[in-house]
Amino acid sequence: GAGVSQTPSNKVTEKGKYVELRCDPISGHTALYWYRQSLGQGPEFLIYFQGTGAADDSGLPNDRFFAVRPEGSVSTLKIQRTERGDSAVYLCASSLGGGAAEAFFGQGTRLTVV
Amino acid sequence: QQPVQSPQAVILREGEDAVINCSSSKALYSVHWYRQKHGEAPVFLMILLKGGEQKGHEKISASFNEKKQQSSLYLTASQLSYSGTYFCGTEGSNTGKLIFGQGTTLQVKP
Repeated sequence: GAGVSQTPSNKVTEKGKYVELRCDPISGHTALYWYRQSLGQGPEFLIYFQGTGAADDSGLPNDRFFAVRPEGSVSTLKIQRTERGDSAVYLCASSLGGGAAEAFFGQGTRLTVV
Repeated sequence: QQPVQSPQAVILREGEDAVINCSSSKALYSVHWYRQKHGEAPVFLMILLKGGEQKGHEKISASFNEKKQQSSLYLTASQLSYSGTYFCGTEGSNTGKLIFGQGTTLQVKP
């Protein structure tokens, strides 16, 4: 595709429910990143994939958060037993990989837990 | 470990200049600068690497002092379109993983 695509753009869920957020990166980009952004804050790193494997998941807040990228392209961020504090915009970015590479961000998924 | 940006907010008139600073307590491999408009995705502006190489847009300049772990973004002859929130993202190693500052909000008025 032309850019990084994230679906859904908005998601409202009840506390305790399970949600999946999808990211479709730019074709050919081997690196994929998930960030979380709260209002008035900078993006907060969650996890980074190089190909199919999670190269760094040190930013995942706890074991309710999990992400996969089974074929090295589309990635899904999964959140179990959602809490109100999980409400934020979840951003996905992709790049050609490695350091000092321009990362392209998607429009994000706004998650609201009520 | 989050880099610190200053100032937090700037208001300019069209044509004026601004400098946004980013300071880290850790040794850095590179510094990335992004601009985000309200409700939109962050957009890449520039990368500065150890050793002085820069990649980015012609109309925006920046500096990177490796010894001090500081970077500055220079916006000259500002235009209305420059309005938005500017984030620096620091990279500690060659992975592309960025730690972002809290942002600097820039408002350019006619």
